Amino acid sequence: AQTVTQSQPEMSVQEAETVTLSCTYDTSENNYYLFWYKQPPSRQMILVIRQEAYKQQNATENRFSVNFQKAAKSFSLKISDSQLGDTAMYFCAFMKQNTGNQFYFGTGTSLTVIP
Amino acid sequence: NAGVTQTPKFRILKIGQSMTLQCTQDMNHNYMYWYRQDPGMGLKLIYYSVGAGITDKGEVPNGYNVSRSTTEDFPLRLELAAPSQTSVYFCASIRGMGTEAFFGQGTRLTVV
Repeated sequence: AQTVTQSQPEMSVQEAETVTLSCTYDTSENNYYLFWYKQPPSRQMILVIRQEAYKQQNATENRFSVNFQKAAKSFSLKISDSQLGDTAMYFCAFMKQNTGNQFYFGTGTSLTVIP
Repeated sequence: NAGVTQTPKFRILKIGQSMTLQCTQDMNHNYMYWYRQDPGMGLKLIYYSVGAGITDKGEVPNGYNVSRSTTEDFPLRLELAAPSQTSVYFCASIRGMGTEAFFGQGTRLTVV
């Protein structure tokens, strides 16, 4: 099975500040996809950002951006201008091409934005 | 567009009882999944399906069964519920490789 590691179980950030969530993964594949999902207290899983491994350019979605280091197998999420609504659990996920195209999830980072 | 609809949202079972978690998607996705989420463990894959009539085991299939008679529906069956099956269960679907996963709202199951 693929391994996805999120080494920060909990983090906090002041409102309007920037925070970076770490994620590393282990694979021998060359073609794969990486995702960050947000899970607020409502429990709903929401896609934050997606990165294709063959693209060198880091993905960006408004205040959310990634630092994708393929050789280091690292995929960190940067949240700029943090807002109270960013308080949530964040999961890093890996998908490789196989029969099922299933996701492999990290254990999550609980982020709290402090007013 | 409803997306992925999962029922029930909450359920309490007694040890040894059985139940079915329902999952329906209206996006015509071929790929569907059942995950369980335990505190500090992330999401673990129970079963998945790549199309109607085709299912396969994930990482943690013991104690569960699935069926996929139509593209839309992917129910998860718990036989002889055990306390170890206390968890939050998510159904998800994707259109294809590398695409976004759409999740149901989850089912919080407690086995007592």
